[in-house]
Amino acid sequence: DVVLTQTPSTLSATIGQSVSISCRSSQSLLDSAGNTYLYWYLQRPGQSPQLLIYLVSNLGSGVPNRFSGSGSGTDFTLKISGVEAEDLGVYYCMQATHAPLTFGSGTKLEIK
Amino acid sequence: EVQLVESGGGLVQPGRSLKLSCAASGFTFSNYYMAWVRQAPKKGLEWVATISTSGSRTYYPDSVKGRFTISRDNAKSSLYLQMNSLKSEDTATYYCARHDTIAAFDYWGQGVMVTVSS
Repeated sequence: DVVLTQTPSTLSATIGQSVSISCRSSQSLLDSAGNTYLYWYLQRPGQSPQLLIYLVSNLGSGVPNRFSGSGSGTDFTLKISGVEAEDLGVYYCMQATHAPLTFGSGTKLEIK
Repeated sequence: EVQLVESGGGLVQPGRSLKLSCAASGFTFSNYYMAWVRQAPKKGLEWVATISTSGSRTYYPDSVKGRFTISRDNAKSSLYLQMNSLKSEDTATYYCARHDTIAAFDYWGQGVMVTVSS
C-alpha cells in the first residue's frame, strides 16, 4: 500500500500567518494517463471531513482561495495564506492513484 | 443541497453482524460512485469500500474484504454497508461519502458510530 507521510504532525499558527503542510508519498502518484490523484481534506473538531483540494491543486467547491495545493510525483504541499480562526482542525492528504486508497496520518492545526 | 444521512450504528458483540444505511438527496444518486470511510476513535481516516453507479463493481481494502459488503438501491437513493464477523478493530465512526471520479470524496455524511465490544 502507498504510505503518505505528513509533516508536521502538529502546527501552531497565529491569525494571518501563512503555513504549509507537506505530504510525501512512498510511490509516485502520477498515473499512466498523466493524472495525479492527490487530495487534501480538513476535519474541523466534531465535524465530518470536507474536501479542500482535488487533483493536487484544484480548489473544492466553496473553498476559500487562501488554500492552495502544489507538488508532483511524490512530494505535495498544502499552503494556507493567512490563517483564519475557522481553519483549525486536522488536515489529511489522500491518494487515489494506487489501490487501496490511502490517507496520511493527519496534521493538526492549532491557533495560538 | 447534497445531503448524506447515515443510520444503523450501535453496539454489537464481536463476531456478530450489522448493516449501515445512508440516505442520499440533493443530487442524482445513480450517476455517482459511492463509498464508506471510517475513523477509529482519535485516529485517522481509512477507506472501507466503494461501489460503482450500477452496483456491478465493488472495491475493498484487504482489512475488510470478505467480511464487508457494500450495496446500493438507486430507486431509493440509498447506500448500504453489511458488516459481518465484526472485530474490535472495526470500532469506528463510519462515514458515507459521494465518490466522484475526479474530486474523490467530495461530500460526506455526519457519520454513524459502530462499537464492537462484548
